Amino acid sequence: DAGITQSPRHKVTETGTPVTLRCHQTENHRYMYWYRQDPGHGLRLIHYSYGVKDTDKGEVSDGYSVSRSKTEDFLLTLESATSSQTSVYFCAISEHADGGEYNEQFFGPGTRLTVL
Amino acid sequence: ELKVEQNPLFLSMQEGKNYTIYCNYSTTSDRLYWYRQDPGKSLESLFVLLSNGAVKQEGRLMASLDTKARLSTLHITAAVHDLSATYFCAVEKKLVFGKGTKLTVNP
Repeated sequence: DAGITQSPRHKVTETGTPVTLRCHQTENHRYMYWYRQDPGHGLRLIHYSYGVKDTDKGEVSDGYSVSRSKTEDFLLTLESATSSQTSVYFCAISEHADGGEYNEQFFGPGTRLTVL
Repeated sequence: ELKVEQNPLFLSMQEGKNYTIYCNYSTTSDRLYWYRQDPGKSLESLFVLLSNGAVKQEGRLMASLDTKARLSTLHITAAVHDLSATYFCAVEKKLVFGKGTKLTVNP
């Protein structure tokens, strides 16, 4: 998994509670991404980071926030979880970005989140 | 807005047969990536295609890119059961993913 871990790997929570997912990398890659995967939708980008404290929104960012205080950690927070956020969440890293050399991304093992 | 379409979405094939998965995209890009995902697992990078006419091969899989047609193909030769997985293409910018093709290879 290219030195990427995610925690927790599984979580069940209730509607309205805050949830934070963590992505940790040991590759010292600059770029980090959060995706969600849902049946019939492939992977959709939630947020990404292009450096410490530098983040931007992806395609499906509503209801999510992120933070990156260290190169190796990228946190995804659901401020008030809803059932529509039940999904599998993947973190990814890349050495280069869009428009750079190439944007081959390497994925973490995933976190399965269920919001009841 | 970049849209990526894969077809077929489901593919059941017999061992030993050949088949092709197609990935069409809607706006100009010359960078395309193929990934494989086994059930309950993460995504594994298969191919990185970075220019028009690029062709990459690994074992029984061969990927190609035609940027003028905005089309990439993933060709499977003499399928074996171990190739059963879901295959995704993804196109820059920001890696927009197709919905995936679930491939099942039957004996």
